[in-house]
Order: sequence, then C-alpha cells, then structure tokens
Amino acid sequence: QLQLQESGPGLVNPSETLSLTCIVSGDSVSSSNYYWAWVRQPPGKGLEWIASIKYSENTYYKSSLRSRVTISVDTSQNQLSLSLSSVTAADTAVYYCARLWVTAQSGNFFDYWGQGTLVTVSS
Amino acid sequence: MLMTQSPATLSVSPGERATLSCRASQIVTSKLAWYQQRAGQAPRLLIYGASTRATGIPARFTGSGSGTEFTLTISSLQSEDSAVYYCQYEGTFGQGTKLEIK
Repeated sequence: QLQLQESGPGLVNPSETLSLTCIVSGDSVSSSNYYWAWVRQPPGKGLEWIASIKYSENTYYKSSLRSRVTISVDTSQNQLSLSLSSVTAADTAVYYCARLWVTAQSGNFFDYWGQGTLVTVSS
Repeated sequence: MLMTQSPATLSVSPGERATLSCRASQIVTSKLAWYQQRAGQAPRLLIYGASTRATGIPARFTGSGSGTEFTLTISSLQSEDSAVYYCQYEGTFGQGTKLEIK
C-alpha cells in the first residue's frame, strides 16, 4: 500500500525559504511509471498544483511560481522535496505531496495523496 | 485553462441524488478527474478519464461527459458524502463544489 508522509517547518518567516520533504513508502520515487507532485491548499480555499517531477526526466512548474520553486527526488531516501523561496503570507497553506499518473488516454491525475503539512508564513 | 464548477454549494437529502458540473474553457477530451475532500482530510481520487472509477470507489459515483462539459453524479446520498468535490485537468483544478447532506 502506497503511503506518502509530508514534513515541514510549520512556521516560516517572510522572505525566507520553505523546505518540505515527503517520504514515500510502497513505491519508488525512481519508478518509470509515475510522476510525483506537490499541491497546496490555502486555508479555506481550493487546490493549487505547484510542481511535478519524474526521476531522471522532466520537471514541471506552475508558471506563476517557477522562479521560486524547486522540486527534486532523493532516491537513496526514497523521498520527494520542495523548496519555495522568498515566501510571503500568500504561501501559507497545507502542502500535499501526491503521486501523479500521466496517461495518454485518461489524462493526468493524482491517485495517492499524503495527509498534508500546514505551513504558516509569519514573523 | 480554466475549470469552472457549479453550483458552488449544493444541499441534498440523504438517499437522493446529487449532480455536480464542471466546465473546461477549452476541449480536454476525456482527460478529466474528480476528487472528494472531506473536512480536515486530503483529497481522494474518485474518477479519472472522465468516467473511470478509481480503486475502491463505490458505484454510486458516476462520471460522465467529454469535450468541455462534465458531470459527477452521486446517487443514494449518504452522510459520509458530505465534502467538497473538485474537478481537475492537468495542472488546473476547479474551485470546488461543497456538497451538504441535509
């Protein structure tokens, strides 16, 4: 059974860099079948895709966040990471990691999700 | 790309049927997914490819549509169906429909 578990700092100061990790169990982040992704949700609002990665292949970023975001995988730890720089209060959100299934016929969809980690940007 | 869901809120009695809509601003063929998010929980994949139920999803959940117009129908509503439902195409989510069970 695939499980994803996010971890993060909880509280980040404005203008600093937010770093998140997601430990994956039950699958490998180097799998050739799937992408891995980060999605966030500001309090009381909807879902926003941030970035996706497939090991040794492509990375994709939301255009409005591209200049501040880095997504990566660590195969030795079987984990996914996200770095978001120059954070503001608008980056306050629950951050989810998810497995992204990319298919030719059925499209791209997130089939497994972590429970999420709340990050608050405040001094 | 814009995904527009309607209505914003829907209130339905137990045992009845709920119909949720999602409209894409351009043609997405059948490449649409639906998610359920209960309060305080992570989203859960319900439907992908517009009409294929994900593993473990009851047959009460039915997805339909293609092109730009899509529908999620939930029949025989139960209290546990109270949640926000999102549609998604690639990196874009709709704003969600909140389903309340009376």
